[in-house]
Amino acid sequence: QSALTQPASVSGSPGQSITISCTGTSSDVGSYNLVSWYQQHPGKAPELMIYEASKRPSGVSNRFSGSKSGNTASLTISGLQAEDEADYYCCSYAGSSTVVFGGGTKVTVL
Amino acid sequence: QVQLQESGPGPVKPSETLSLTCSVSGGSISSNYWGWIRQPPGKELEWIGYIYHSGSTSYNPSLKSRATISIDTSKNQFSLKLTSVTAADSAVYYCARLDAMGYYFDRWGQGTLVTVSS
Repeated sequence: QSALTQPASVSGSPGQSITISCTGTSSDVGSYNLVSWYQQHPGKAPELMIYEASKRPSGVSNRFSGSKSGNTASLTISGLQAEDEADYYCCSYAGSSTVVFGGGTKVTVL
Repeated sequence: QVQLQESGPGPVKPSETLSLTCSVSGGSISSNYWGWIRQPPGKELEWIGYIYHSGSTSYNPSLKSRATISIDTSKNQFSLKLTSVTAADSAVYYCARLDAMGYYFDRWGQGTLVTVSS
């Protein structure tokens, strides 16, 4: 069970859109629409932003959207704001009742 | 609204057993699945395992049977034991609620830092 692959960092200016990728294999991301995304500010617990690849929990801004194609899932943040600066982690069901997290992506708002 | 709170005895010595408890309030533990996730300082999240109120469990294979999760429905708590710890097990440990249909963690505790040191 290997960690999902995310870019170490992504940056953008306020108002812009950015996309974070999460690449797995045909054993995890590629086989299930069970990808979730979490936002984590420094010193805080992670917070669920997207589940089942593209669904948004109530209370999460519609500036956050998720998608999946093949073995890669993506999180897009539109209208980037200063408060979006944080670490983002993807997570996927990996079969046999297990889950696996990605390595995390640091988002910087320039 | 369901809230989770981790608690534990503090620092642990190498080769000893790490023990943590997660107290659930605002809802019954006798539904949903409940999991543990850890994060070494400055590193990524790592899934440890989860448990259902019936006692059925699933664990990260990388922990090689060192982890055991149990549940006490009478106290609305679930617990983690990790044996034979080393410095590599030093991390912030989070407990969380797992939606087992979608396999996502929708409620998290604040986390507790466990340091393994002699």
